[in-house]
Amino acid sequence: GQQLNQSPQSMFIQEGEDVSMNCTSSSIFNTWLWYKQDPGEGPVLLIALYKAGELTSNGRLTAQFGITRKDSFLNISASIPSDVGIYFCAGHSGGSNYKLTFGKGTLLTVNP
Amino acid sequence: DGGITQSPKYLFRKEGQNVTLSCEQNLNHDAMYWYRQDPGQGLRLIYYSQIVNDFQKGDIAEGYSVSREKKESFPLTVTSAQKNPTAFYLCASSWQGEGQPQHFGDGTRLSIL
Repeated sequence: GQQLNQSPQSMFIQEGEDVSMNCTSSSIFNTWLWYKQDPGEGPVLLIALYKAGELTSNGRLTAQFGITRKDSFLNISASIPSDVGIYFCAGHSGGSNYKLTFGKGTLLTVNP
Repeated sequence: DGGITQSPKYLFRKEGQNVTLSCEQNLNHDAMYWYRQDPGQGLRLIYYSQIVNDFQKGDIAEGYSVSREKKESFPLTVTSAQKNPTAFYLCASSWQGEGQPQHFGDGTRLSIL
């Protein structure tokens, strides 16, 4: 089946630093989604991308839909302690099947 | 407020027992999903339903069963055939259509007594 390779698996940063994480695939995706999960809660949608090359921001978060349609990037600027959590990428490869493929997540720890 | 409600938050199962996890949504979404989350393994799809009275197996359906009798409800039963049921279970829903984002409930943590 399709797989998304998400990296890094974990990150330890200082408050105020910028963060970058990415997802790659050997298959083409038509939609890329980025979610954040706080401990003991469900993932929350951060950004949705629908067009190759698209760059979308949500506050301090910026995500890009790779031009090859096989990758996506999420950047967080000026990190703060509440950015702590697991960030997931997810993709949809098209068709009437609504299933998403999820990456395994990036665990972000922010030291105050 | 619109959203997805999962209950209970914590659930304990005895050996040989079936348990049912509840998922209700008032977003009027057509599609609903069940995922299992284990540490370091991301989200794995158990079952999904794109329309009432219809559902399909996901990647790890063995030992689980579902029903979709109402648009707003998609309960998951963890049967005694599931030998390693301890996990965090997440329910999600979405609109019909390619690439529609899924919206998640806050999960149920199932443990074995």
